[in-house]
Amino acid sequence: DTGVSQNPRHKITKRGQNVTFRCDPISEHNRLYWYRQTLGQGPEFLTYFQNEAQLEKSRLLSDRFSAERPKGSFSTLEIQRTEQGDSAMYLCASSLAGLSEKLFFGSGTQLSVL
Amino acid sequence: KNEVEQSPQNLTAQEGEFITINCSYSVGISALHWLQQHPGGGIVSLFMLSSGKKKHGRLIATINIQEKHSSLHITASHPRDSAVYICSYNTGNQFYFGTGTSLTVIP
Repeated sequence: DTGVSQNPRHKITKRGQNVTFRCDPISEHNRLYWYRQTLGQGPEFLTYFQNEAQLEKSRLLSDRFSAERPKGSFSTLEIQRTEQGDSAMYLCASSLAGLSEKLFFGSGTQLSVL
Repeated sequence: KNEVEQSPQNLTAQEGEFITINCSYSVGISALHWLQQHPGGGIVSLFMLSSGKKKHGRLIATINIQEKHSSLHITASHPRDSAVYICSYNTGNQFYFGTGTSLTVIP
């Protein structure tokens, strides 16, 4: 078990470009979460999946953001027409749903929009 | 609105000092988590607790469910403990996070 893997680790893009991030969760985990974190803040919820179903999406999330988990394994987060305010660390976490649910985080993708 | 309050926001300590970080929340929860985040690094779960106290090495976490309060203690602090410590709870399908306490331990 290699833990939660995120790619790329860093992404620099120009404003207006589209970017896509990938997350590979721990294989037996059925839940997958996406969070965004800016300096000095805790993680901010974006969306989460249980298996392949996207069960919840933050109301604060722009429709430029979309996420998929097509086969209930890896997930992708796409940001279209990036803006400078999208610059942040994007974190993925996975877990096994249940009373003792515990999140396992990836190292994150640091996005810089110029 | 952040439903998890942590204090202090920043903490600087001398190596060897006993450290306490506090966390308060406002709703009934099933479990509270303490997480550690090193600069540029991912987040690691330290503790998950729903009652009482847990200990792992020099780290101790306590929770008072009635008072909706938890503390993380570090005994004999060391520079490698320097990190951001985040308190979090889940309500079944949603995790809420504090803004973190940034700890710096000076040799």
